[in-house]
Amino acid sequence: RKEVEQDPGPFNVPEGATVAFNCTYSNSASQSFFWYRQDCRKEPKLLMSVYSSGNEDGRFTAQLNRASQYISLLIRDSKLSDSATYLCVVNILPTGANNLFFGTGTRLTVIP
Amino acid sequence: ETGVTQTPRHLVMGMTNKKSLKCEQHLGHNAMYWYKQSAKKPLELMFVYSLEERVENNSVPSRFSPECPNSSHLFLHLHTLQPEDSALYLCASSPNSRGPNTGELFFGEGSRLTVL
Repeated sequence: RKEVEQDPGPFNVPEGATVAFNCTYSNSASQSFFWYRQDCRKEPKLLMSVYSSGNEDGRFTAQLNRASQYISLLIRDSKLSDSATYLCVVNILPTGANNLFFGTGTRLTVIP
Repeated sequence: ETGVTQTPRHLVMGMTNKKSLKCEQHLGHNAMYWYKQSAKKPLELMFVYSLEERVENNSVPSRFSPECPNSSHLFLHLHTLQPEDSALYLCASSPNSRGPNTGELFFGEGSRLTVL
C-alpha cells in the first residue's frame, strides 16, 4: 500500500471556481503534513504546511483529519496561474526531512 | 532564481557511458538530497547527506554513486545505467536533515536524464 495516495486528476476548472483536493495517508503515526506545488517542467516548491487546526493562506485553505487520515487543499477563486500539480507530502516522524513521503500529485488546469 | 542549481539540465547517455550530475546550493544549508521523479510515480528519495556525511541510502543500485565534497556541492555519478533509469533527478537542500521544521525542501530545477 502506498504511504500517500492522491487522485491524479486532471481537474479542469473555470477561472473563479473553487476546487478541492484530498489526499490520504496510510501511517497513523504520521506527524507533519505539507502541500507542495510543481509547475510543468519545474521543481516542486512548498505551498503550505498543514496544521491540526487547519490553516489558511489567502485563497488556499488546508485541513487535516487525523481520524480519517486525510488532508485536503481548497483553492477559492481559481486563477489561471494556479494551474500546476499539487503534491501531498507526509512526514512519518516528528523530525527529519529524509522521512518525507510524496504523493504522485493532482494536476489542476484552470481554464479561461 | 532558485537557490539550488543543477547541471546539466538535460542529459542523454548510452548504457555504457559514465556521466555526472552536479548540484550546488547557495542557501547555507547543511543537508542535501537526491530524488528521482518518474512519470506517474511519487518522488523517490535516493540519498541524503548531512554535513557532508551520507545519512541515508535508500537501496539505490550501485550504478548510482553520490559524492558530497562539501556542504554546498553534491554530485551523482552515473555508470552503466539502464533505460528504466530515465527520469528527472532532483537535488534538494534543507537547513538540517533532522530537527524541527524539516518539511521544507528547496529543490533545484532538475536534470532530465534519458538513457538509450
